[in-house]
Amino acid sequence: AQSVAQPEDQVNVAEGNPLTVKCTYSVSGNPYLFWYVQYPNRGLQFLLKYITGDNLVKGSYGFEAEFNKSQTSFHLKKPSALVSDSALYFCAVSGKLIFGQGTTLQVKP
Amino acid sequence: SQTIHQWPATLVQPVGSPLSLECTVEGTSNPNLYWYRQAAGRGLQLLFYSVGIGQISSEVPQNLSASRPQDRQFILSSKKLLLSDSGFYLCAFDRGTSGVSNEQFFGPGTRLTVL
Repeated sequence: AQSVAQPEDQVNVAEGNPLTVKCTYSVSGNPYLFWYVQYPNRGLQFLLKYITGDNLVKGSYGFEAEFNKSQTSFHLKKPSALVSDSALYFCAVSGKLIFGQGTTLQVKP
Repeated sequence: SQTIHQWPATLVQPVGSPLSLECTVEGTSNPNLYWYRQAAGRGLQLLFYSVGIGQISSEVPQNLSASRPQDRQFILSSKKLLLSDSGFYLCAFDRGTSGVSNEQFFGPGTRLTVL
């Protein structure tokens, strides 16, 4: 069975500092991995996905994610956090998307 | 461009009353359609998905049902709401081609409170 784990309920960073939101997965076969962001009382927005190829995937709003097959991880990163990045972030694995429980990112000014 | 609409945005219903939430997609044909429920602002639970008109798969047995009367219309229903049906309901679609590698696009959601 496919599964996704986000080990941190909340991540706090200062504005301007790099951020990492962690995700590990368990799938049989090749994984298709996604990151989504959700702002309060809104639907989810797609950020980026890994299908195949380069392990570093670049997405919307300056976010990127690194696929690591040996560690079965797909961590979301951004070199310099903005206060406006504060939101709920979800990692997911296909086919019918299986979502992690979400990580709340708080960026303090 | 592709867009997805959901209504109503918020709904307060008494226990035992019926429910109908509607979702429509524009700008694409033959989408896969999905209904999710999000409780307490956290993880998403897939309720139903559909790969075509009249084709509905249920992921979680409960007192909800779904229908797809048209290619780009997806409806979530209940005959009698329970308190536990409260939550944030999200409709989503993907392009339905290339199978599992497509990202999903989400509607704005419906906040349902059952009293």
